[in-house]
Amino acid sequence: QVQLVQSGGEVKKPGASVKVSCKASRYTFTSYGISWVRQAPGQGLEWLGSISGYNGKTKYAQQIQGRVTMTADTSTTTASLELRSLRSDDTAVYYCARDQDASGTYSNVNYFDYWGQGTLVTVSS
Amino acid sequence: DIQMTQSPSSLSASVGDRVSITCRASQSINTYLNWYQQEPGKAPKLLIYAASNLLSGVPSRFSGSGSGADFTLTISSLQPEDFATYYCQQTYSSPPTFGGGTRLE
Repeated sequence: QVQLVQSGGEVKKPGASVKVSCKASRYTFTSYGISWVRQAPGQGLEWLGSISGYNGKTKYAQQIQGRVTMTADTSTTTASLELRSLRSDDTAVYYCARDQDASGTYSNVNYFDYWGQGTLVTVSS
Repeated sequence: DIQMTQSPSSLSASVGDRVSITCRASQSINTYLNWYQQEPGKAPKLLIYAASNLLSGVPSRFSGSGSGADFTLTISSLQPEDFATYYCQQTYSSPPTFGGGTRLE
């Protein structure tokens, strides 16, 4: 069974950075992408961006572009999300999810079929 | 960005009921529409992709329909484990966007 295991929860001060990792296993990492989705407390789902496991190409949501970097290490089959200049409204559970797009260019034939367990990032002074 | 609007935002139902949840896109999205189920404190789970394709292992009481801008998720006979929040998602264009969710209670 495909597994995505995320790193543990983080508490950060405003202005700091956070890095969340997502270890993938039991599938061919380079044949899929990884998307990141967050969910603020009591709120809905927000797509943050995606990275190709094949060529490392990224796409970021406009609202966090400039503050985010997504990476993928094929040797360890681990994807990571780094978010900088944290604000209180970045407090959320961050999920990684396997997506069907390995090309790195946007494909509309896509869905997120496996998800990590989620990582709570709390931004508070 | 394409806006996804779900209705109702919450729905009260009982075990054995047939329920339907609607998702409307702000423009035509063909059939690039997925449905997810999320239980409290857990990650979302994919149920249906491309509007009507049931993911392997998902019970057949779940079904999806629609094309263009209007879509429906139907649960034919509610089971206790189905009380959760449901989200639609469009992948027609980037960024992929989610509906606001429908809480089934």
